[in-house]
Amino acid sequence: GAGVSQSPSNKVTEKGKDVELRCDPISGHTALYWYRQSLGQGLEFLIYFQGNSAPDKSGLPSDRFSAERTGGSVSTLTIQRTQQEDSAVYLCASSLGRATSGTQYFGPGTRLLVL
Amino acid sequence: AQTVTQSQPEMSVQEAETVTLSCTYDTSESNYYLFWYKQPPSRQMILVIRQEAYKQQNATENRFSVNFQKAAKSFSLKISDSQLGDTAMYFCAFMNPLGNQFYFGTGTSLTVIP
Repeated sequence: GAGVSQSPSNKVTEKGKDVELRCDPISGHTALYWYRQSLGQGLEFLIYFQGNSAPDKSGLPSDRFSAERTGGSVSTLTIQRTQQEDSAVYLCASSLGRATSGTQYFGPGTRLLVL
Repeated sequence: AQTVTQSQPEMSVQEAETVTLSCTYDTSESNYYLFWYKQPPSRQMILVIRQEAYKQQNATENRFSVNFQKAAKSFSLKISDSQLGDTAMYFCAFMNPLGNQFYFGTGTSLTVIP
C-alpha cells in the first residue's frame, strides 16, 4: 500500500472489554513499532517487531497488553479487560530494515476511548 | 533510562521568520540517534530530521536544521522561513544504538502566524 494503515480509526469500548487494534505496514517493511500517545503527553514506545519476532516486550504497560505479527506483515495489538487509563491514540510505524538505517513511517493511529 | 525533555509546550512565530525549538536528553550511551517529528492536526507523524550521534556535522533538510551539542546533550530544531504549513506539534525523540528502544519528549505546539 501507499502508507501504513491502521484500523479501526476510532474505537469506543466499555471498561472490562477486550479490544484488538490492527496495523498494516508498508509492503516490504520488516520492522514494525507500536506507540501510545496519551492526551497531553508524548509518545510512549510499546513494542518493536523485526519480522515476526519481538525481542523485547518490556515496553508493554501491563500483562493486559499483547502484540503479535504474522507473516512479517500485519500486526495486532490486543488490550484485555480495558481500563479507562488505556484511553489514548495508538500509533503504528514501520521501517525498511531496522530503524538505525531506515526511516519510520507512521500510520494515522487508532483513537481508543474506554468508557 | 533515557529521558527526553522539551521545555517549551507552546511557541508561535510570524510567517517567514525563524524559530528554534529546544530539546535536551539524558543518556549514558555514546552512540545513539536523535529525531524531530512533526504531527499536524491530521495526526500523521512525519519525520522532519534525523541525526546520528557519531556525526559531528549538524543535519539539515531544506528549511530545517539542528544544533546538536553532544556534550550538553542538546538537540534543538531551527525552522527558517516559517510557513503556515509548519503549524503542528513537534516531538523530539531518542533512539538507542540497537534501534529497539525509543523515547519521545512531550512535544512543542508550534503556531505560525500569518
